[in-house]
Amino acid sequence: KNEVEQSPQNLTAQEGEFITINCSYSVGISALHWLQQHPGGGIVSLFMLSSGKKKHGRLIATINIQEKHSSLHITASHPRDSAVYICAVRFLEGSQGNLIFGKGTKLSVKP
Amino acid sequence: NAGVTQTPKFQVLKTGQSMTLQCAQDMNHEYMSWYRQDPGMGLRLIHYSVGAGITDQGEVPNGYNVSRSTTEDFPLRLLSAAPSQTSVYFCASTYGGRGNTGELFFGEGSRLTVL
Repeated sequence: KNEVEQSPQNLTAQEGEFITINCSYSVGISALHWLQQHPGGGIVSLFMLSSGKKKHGRLIATINIQEKHSSLHITASHPRDSAVYICAVRFLEGSQGNLIFGKGTKLSVKP
Repeated sequence: NAGVTQTPKFQVLKTGQSMTLQCAQDMNHEYMSWYRQDPGMGLRLIHYSVGAGITDQGEVPNGYNVSRSTTEDFPLRLLSAAPSQTSVYFCASTYGGRGNTGELFFGEGSRLTVL
């Protein structure tokens, strides 16, 4: 069965801390997306990965295809990073090629 | 840069009423999709389209109808609203069939309450 699991569900950090959010999936994939949902509800795309590592500003996304695992790191966290972070996966087989979404990780960064 | 425009942002319906959520994109994206987001659950696919004139069902299609007469527009119709359809709805698009080629673009969401 095509499944996506995120951990932790909720995360509270102090400003400046290094943050890691994890995503694991059940079977082979062609792509993995990291998304950010702001408190107001809007969703923006952060990264799309199929291998390796990508960096944008203080955000770093990595993926280990063999381990079926991806991580999203935030360095020097700031209260404006407070949001729900969502992992979405396109499996190689099943799901008609459409994305399957994790339930999200709610991050709160305290000043 | 309009991106994906989704309307209305909020709607309250009575059970049995019908309505249409509008979604339009100006990026010439082939793939468009509708999701619903419920508490404690990931986004779930309702319907999707890989191009004008082509639509298909997603994970939770019952009670919803879609059409894709142009590349730009992908409206979602609730035929006879039920309380179970109370949710936040998102439209999304991406270049390429089934979104294999990159960044996803989302509308701002529509919060629907069915009484």
